[in-house]
Amino acid sequence: DTGVSQNPRHKITKRGQNVTFRCDPISEHNRLYWYRQTLGQGPEFLTYFQNEAQLEKSRLLSDRFSAERPKGSFSTLEIQRTEQGDSAMYLCASSEKEMGGVSAGQETQYFGPGTRLLVL
Amino acid sequence: LAKTTQPISMDSYEGQEVNITCSHNNIATNDYITWYQQFPSQGPRFIIQGYKTKVTNEVASLFIPADRKSSTLSLPRVSLSDTAVYYCLVGIRYGQNFVFGPGTRLSVLP
Repeated sequence: DTGVSQNPRHKITKRGQNVTFRCDPISEHNRLYWYRQTLGQGPEFLTYFQNEAQLEKSRLLSDRFSAERPKGSFSTLEIQRTEQGDSAMYLCASSEKEMGGVSAGQETQYFGPGTRLLVL
Repeated sequence: LAKTTQPISMDSYEGQEVNITCSHNNIATNDYITWYQQFPSQGPRFIIQGYKTKVTNEVASLFIPADRKSSTLSLPRVSLSDTAVYYCLVGIRYGQNFVFGPGTRLSVLP
């Protein structure tokens, strides 16, 4: 399977602990996204990388959250000092930059299975 | 960024055709319309994308009227496995304008 993979699939932690999630995108994709999804809601954008450069961060991404994509391949999302409100599904997606510019909406994102975080 | 409105939920029976309509009154000239499907405990999956008129693939059809202020996702002969949440996205650019609303929760009954 050459799709987007995420590890771990599930994580239970105690409040105040740090957690780190990993995303491996589709190999030829240079864009990588992180989203958070809570029950009954659609995914909410957190941040996005073009190769190794982190180009956008949502205001949802507090200073306890940090994401890296050191070599433009896999990415990690770390949450420090977790809070119960951080409990959610964390989704990663990747896409390939369209050549010659992108009209609004032509990009297709491919999502991983997500990491479900429960903070006790 | 075009705001979208779609029904919160729909019920259908196996074998029926399901049509989910999304309203996007302030769609911009260059905006595309994209639909995603999400099963429980999985990430969203791209279904179909279009700009105008009709687009069809092996999974669904997308109908877009001339004024492009709405679009309809059509799923032919649904099965139980089509039970999922369906999201309509409009005017997506990469980055934080990739906005998912609450979607339409489709329940297919036997």
